[in-house]
Amino acid sequence: ETGVTQTPRHLVMGMTNKKSLKCEQHLGHNAMYWYKQSAKKPLELMFVYSLEERVENNSVPSRFSPECPNSSHLFLHLHTLQPEDSALYLCASSQGLGSYEQYFGPGTRLTVT
Amino acid sequence: AQSVTQLDSHVSVSEGTPVLLRCNYSSSYSPSLFWYVQHPNKGLQLLLKYTSAATLVKGINGFEAEFKKSETSFHLTKPSAHMSDAAEYFCVVSDNTDKLIFGTGTRLQVFP
Repeated sequence: ETGVTQTPRHLVMGMTNKKSLKCEQHLGHNAMYWYKQSAKKPLELMFVYSLEERVENNSVPSRFSPECPNSSHLFLHLHTLQPEDSALYLCASSQGLGSYEQYFGPGTRLTVT
Repeated sequence: AQSVTQLDSHVSVSEGTPVLLRCNYSSSYSPSLFWYVQHPNKGLQLLLKYTSAATLVKGINGFEAEFKKSETSFHLTKPSAHMSDAAEYFCVVSDNTDKLIFGTGTRLQVFP
């Protein structure tokens, strides 16, 4: 596999479920990101990790919990979500922080019922 | 604070005609600017990047963009549209910390 991969590609979950999104980058990058993409809204940055340390948490509700066990893997743990959390969740990676370009995965389409 | 404005939410062109997607930015610094493309049900793909080298930047798939400091613009162009260019395009500015600031996107439709 090359680039940035995300699993699952589609997820339907109830409001009481717990699930996790997985992201893996094969680019040797040091920074990883979670974004939320909702219809009619700009891309929202959720979390930023650099060298496995969280450096940004953009006022995201605690029902979203990120985990970065190493520089190649990033998880987003989900619990007690709301219907308005339904969106496309995109993972990205970059060589470092700052003006480096980011490489995106294909996203996980999440539907909360 | 840095920001980016994409002036058109939708652009429609005929196949074989030129494409112009407009972007204006606001920045206190010498910015890094990007264009990304997103095809349906796909992630974002980098088209091109400006980082204070040449003001005319060439990207993939025949796209290019020109950085104009006096106009604070970074418009994306392509001489001849192809059906496969139909997608959402995002203009992005870097604030040189850990964030990319995304525009709201321009949906490009290409008619045969």
